[in-house]
Amino acid sequence: AQKITQTQPGMFVQEKEAVTLDCTYDTSDQSYGLFWYKQPSSGEMIFLIYQGSYDEQNATEGRYSLNFQKARKSANLVISASQLGDSAMYFCAMREVRNFNKFYFGSGTKLNVKP
Amino acid sequence: KAGVTQTPRYLIKTRGQQVTLSCSPISGHRSVSWYQQTPGQGLQFLFEYFSETQRNKGNFPGRFSGRQFSNSRSEMNVSTLELGDSALYLCASSSQGYGTGELFFGEGSRLTVL
Repeated sequence: AQKITQTQPGMFVQEKEAVTLDCTYDTSDQSYGLFWYKQPSSGEMIFLIYQGSYDEQNATEGRYSLNFQKARKSANLVISASQLGDSAMYFCAMREVRNFNKFYFGSGTKLNVKP
Repeated sequence: KAGVTQTPRYLIKTRGQQVTLSCSPISGHRSVSWYQQTPGQGLQFLFEYFSETQRNKGNFPGRFSGRQFSNSRSEMNVSTLELGDSALYLCASSSQGYGTGELFFGEGSRLTVL
């Protein structure tokens, strides 16, 4: 079974609008971490936001917030006030603490921000 | 402080050859991971090293190998290259246990096999 599922291969959003990128995960562990990375066309992976499995509040980092629903095993990324520079691939990832911090990545969502 | 450095950034090889890629982690990071990224398969985990020991290995054939040196620098080697090995190879380092433990990625080594 896939550990991380991103069901949106591509998305469009109008500049200045908010967008939600979906991510569901699968683990039987109690302790894990959830991450979102951005990969512009240049190729470098940029860390955006982190949510720990024991964190009760949703993580926020500037215009990024993570909508964490533990019971549903979802960790959606919300980008507010989209900018043209947000156009990139976005990857959801999970780290299993018991497995020596092995990371699993989703297949990614290509976000295009329209002017 | 300096980020993760990967060399070379681009390389072209022919089938049957072998290649060695290098990765210098962020100073103080003892964990180094390698990923293969292709358009069809996304990011696939290759292996992870911590203090010169391989702790995790992905589902890749034995042609893919790696090692880590005492200064935490890491190399990965692919022998008997195949066309399907063409990919972006990403190295990432982690502080392990400090902060959130996120991976810090290098810019990658783009390998083309002809």
